[in-house]
Amino acid sequence: SQQGEEDPQALSIQEGENATMNCSYKTSINNLQWYRQNSGRGLVHLILIRSNEREKHSGRLRVTLDTSKKSSSLLITASRAADTASYFCATEGGSEKLVFGKGTKLTVNP
Amino acid sequence: SAVISQKPSRDICQRGTSLTIQCQVDSQVTMMFWYRQQPGQSLTLIATANQGSEATYESGFVIDKFPISRPNLTFSTLTVSNLSPEDSSIYLCSVDRVYGYTFGSGTRLTVV
Repeated sequence: SQQGEEDPQALSIQEGENATMNCSYKTSINNLQWYRQNSGRGLVHLILIRSNEREKHSGRLRVTLDTSKKSSSLLITASRAADTASYFCATEGGSEKLVFGKGTKLTVNP
Repeated sequence: SAVISQKPSRDICQRGTSLTIQCQVDSQVTMMFWYRQQPGQSLTLIATANQGSEATYESGFVIDKFPISRPNLTFSTLTVSNLSPEDSSIYLCSVDRVYGYTFGSGTRLTVV
């Protein structure tokens, strides 16, 4: 069963704007990861944030984690048309299994 | 990070037949994971494949429908048996890396 719930389900923005996607989960975790999927292909790992971290940056990506609220957000700054994809959060607990959220479909219009 | 070669990338199969998907990893890994992604949906874990032992299946998935082989530490296959249109999905393999998982490029299966 899925653990994460992302919102929004779909997001459409203009190039240069920031995109924020949110993820909520239900059980305790070791880490939370964000992935990107282009047109139903394989997933690409973007960033991992551990349960004892609150914020992490990687290039134009910023991830926050609030374990008290069991939620995370992914911010993509200065978006580009090439950022158009589906974004998934996934949580990893003690079993080394990833549990995925439902995903946000991001469209960046040129 | 690991490189995974997944084959085939897509296939169209007749109902009642089977499709075997292969994943080759460029380094030895203990566990390999198989996922299903139904149209417009997220990923659901089918099973975890360990070398030298039977795969561990998640609730709702059974070995008769999704037999898995794991003959060595770099290779695994997933067979989707007795195909029906409901099996039309993307199937992905994955391995764990310290800083995240690496996924194969996926197999898009269409059952007609």
